Amino acid sequence: EAQVTQNPRYLITVTGKKLTVTCSQNMNHEYMSWYRQDPGLGLRQIYYSMNVEVTDKGDVPEGYKVSRKEKRNFPLILESPSPNQTSLYFCASISRGGRTDTQYFGPGTRLTVL
Amino acid sequence: AQSVAQPEDQVNVAEGNPLTVKCTYSVSGNPYLFWYVQYPNRGLQFLLKYITGDNLVKGSYGFEAEFNKSQTSFHLKKPSALVSDSALYFCAVRDSQDAGKSTFGDGTTLTVKP
Repeated sequence: EAQVTQNPRYLITVTGKKLTVTCSQNMNHEYMSWYRQDPGLGLRQIYYSMNVEVTDKGDVPEGYKVSRKEKRNFPLILESPSPNQTSLYFCASISRGGRTDTQYFGPGTRLTVL
Repeated sequence: AQSVAQPEDQVNVAEGNPLTVKCTYSVSGNPYLFWYVQYPNRGLQFLLKYITGDNLVKGSYGFEAEFNKSQTSFHLKKPSALVSDSALYFCAVRDSQDAGKSTFGDGTTLTVKP
């Protein structure tokens, strides 16, 4: 079954404690992306990746890092989380080619930074 | 820079009535437009997209969207609403040159009442 998985699904942490949210896809997609969802602000893109070792900033990259060492995985790293990073995070894997061009979203990770 | 506007935070319709959720966009180049739906406590699911071709696009669950280039709009429609259509709907635009970069609207909450 084609899917995007994220872990953990829920996380409560404290300010400054480094954390990583993992994202994995089994569809062999080249493109992957991270978003955060906040009430009234919709989804805002944090980072995206076009292929292994190729990443670029989205609209709200401050305070986040990503890596793409292998095609299936695209972890989101918060080196020093702050309360304003409390949010719902979604990873997406993007099919391309022909007339596909669709984003497949993971189930989300709800992060609370105290 | 690309942008998407969903002018209505909330749309209320009665079951069986037609529904419209509005979206306008701004892009340089050809628009790649999408609608996604988010059911409560769930991730986002793809509904439909416009890349090229017919201005009326048909998608999942009986939804369709009309692309209007002169009005830069991409409104989501359904002829007969169901209570189960109640959800949060997002319009999105993809950069025509950079497939990884997407911008989402703030979302519109659709409530269908019996």
